[in-house]
Amino acid sequence: AQKVTQAQTEISVVEKEDVTLDCVYETRDTTYYLFWYKQPPSGELVFLIRRNSFDEQNEISGRYSWNFQKSTSSFNFTITASQVVDSAVYFCALSERAAGNKLTFGGGTRVLVKP
Amino acid sequence: GAVVSQHPSRVICKSGTSVKIECRSLDFQATTMFWYRQFPKKSLMLMATSNEGSKATYEQGVEKDKFLINHASLTLSTLTVTSAHPEDSSFYICSASDPRGLTYNEQFFGPGTRLTVL
Repeated sequence: AQKVTQAQTEISVVEKEDVTLDCVYETRDTTYYLFWYKQPPSGELVFLIRRNSFDEQNEISGRYSWNFQKSTSSFNFTITASQVVDSAVYFCALSERAAGNKLTFGGGTRVLVKP
Repeated sequence: GAVVSQHPSRVICKSGTSVKIECRSLDFQATTMFWYRQFPKKSLMLMATSNEGSKATYEQGVEKDKFLINHASLTLSTLTVTSAHPEDSSFYICSASDPRGLTYNEQFFGPGTRLTVL
């Protein structure tokens, strides 16, 4: 069964600080996808990244970067030089090919960036 | 592209009434749609998966008779909360995917519907 754990429930930082969100997953499938979503107070999920199990390259997109390590089953997310607009709940999610495209979400990490 | 809409965005109803929530894929054909439920400050929990033209597959613990799902066309799925009670108050989010195309394994999410049952 697939499982996603986000150990940090809430993180508070001051603007311009870096913040790293942890995500650990469990799966028996060899083909799977990992995702990060942002959920601002409005509630709408914003897709940030998708990574498949065969691509362990780290990725950077602007102030966002992701570190995928299969050896530790982790897919961590870092926001560099945080801004107030980054305040939101961030969800890590896992989709196994064998599970028919179903997404399992982690518990979410609430990020509060103070000015 | 890949826009999903939900209607209504907010609904308040009296206990005992039924509420229908629509989920539409606006610019693509969604062979599969998913319905999630999110309690305040909690994560999204998958309720059911619906494939166009067939019965929905419900997750364990989700009452089929309580949450009726219909996926009659490739662009529309509906969730009906029957005889709603205050404990059904929640944020309901749908997503749509088209595994046949390049968007395989990509779910596109609607903006959500906030249901409040008085």
